[in-house]
Amino acid sequence: GESVGLHLPTLSVQEGDNSIINCAYSNSASDYFIWYKQESGKGPQFIIDIRSNMDKRQGQRVTVLLNKTVKHLSLQIAATQPGDSAVYFCAESDFNFNKFYFGSGTKLNVKP
Amino acid sequence: DADVTQTPRNRITKTGKRIMLECSQTKGHDRMYWYRQDPGLGLRLIYYSFDVKDINKGEISDGYSVSRQAQAKFSLSLESAIPNQTALYFCATSDLRGEGQETQYFGPGTRLLVL
Repeated sequence: GESVGLHLPTLSVQEGDNSIINCAYSNSASDYFIWYKQESGKGPQFIIDIRSNMDKRQGQRVTVLLNKTVKHLSLQIAATQPGDSAVYFCAESDFNFNKFYFGSGTKLNVKP
Repeated sequence: DADVTQTPRNRITKTGKRIMLECSQTKGHDRMYWYRQDPGLGLRLIYYSFDVKDINKGEISDGYSVSRQAQAKFSLSLESAIPNQTALYFCATSDLRGEGQETQYFGPGTRLLVL
């Protein structure tokens, strides 16, 4: 079955530095990947997504990189701010979007 | 996201009791989902519905049932609650965007404790 997991459960960064959160997936048929942010006491919130026909996608201060060869996904946050402190999840889905499989999450701590 | 609401936000119940968690959305989405979240684990899909007449089991549907009363309402029931159903439950809705991508919008969650 599919497995989506994260290399590091907790990441601490200094305010202003760049953050990189990693995610591995095992299903080579996965076609669509999403990063979510979950703040304490709230539901996950969509950050950015990428289709398997792309290697990179950029948003506002965030970039997602997809390496299909090694089945690896990363989220880069530029100039990390205290408000970025949260748990970040990756999720994968197949082409039909029937189901999403979520990783266990990485907690990002931003130190002032 | 205020467009997806869940009630109750917190619930304590006893083993063997039947309880219902409710979800409502004002986004006009056809697709709705129920997930549970446990410490150290990712979200796991319980049930999902692509429209009012379509209900599908997720990866951990045992012990749960759902009802899609209307496009905007999707309820999750625990027929006979047990302690290992203690978890944080999330409802989500989704739409398919024009470029063939899907965004899920999550409710604030219901924290359930089964004693």
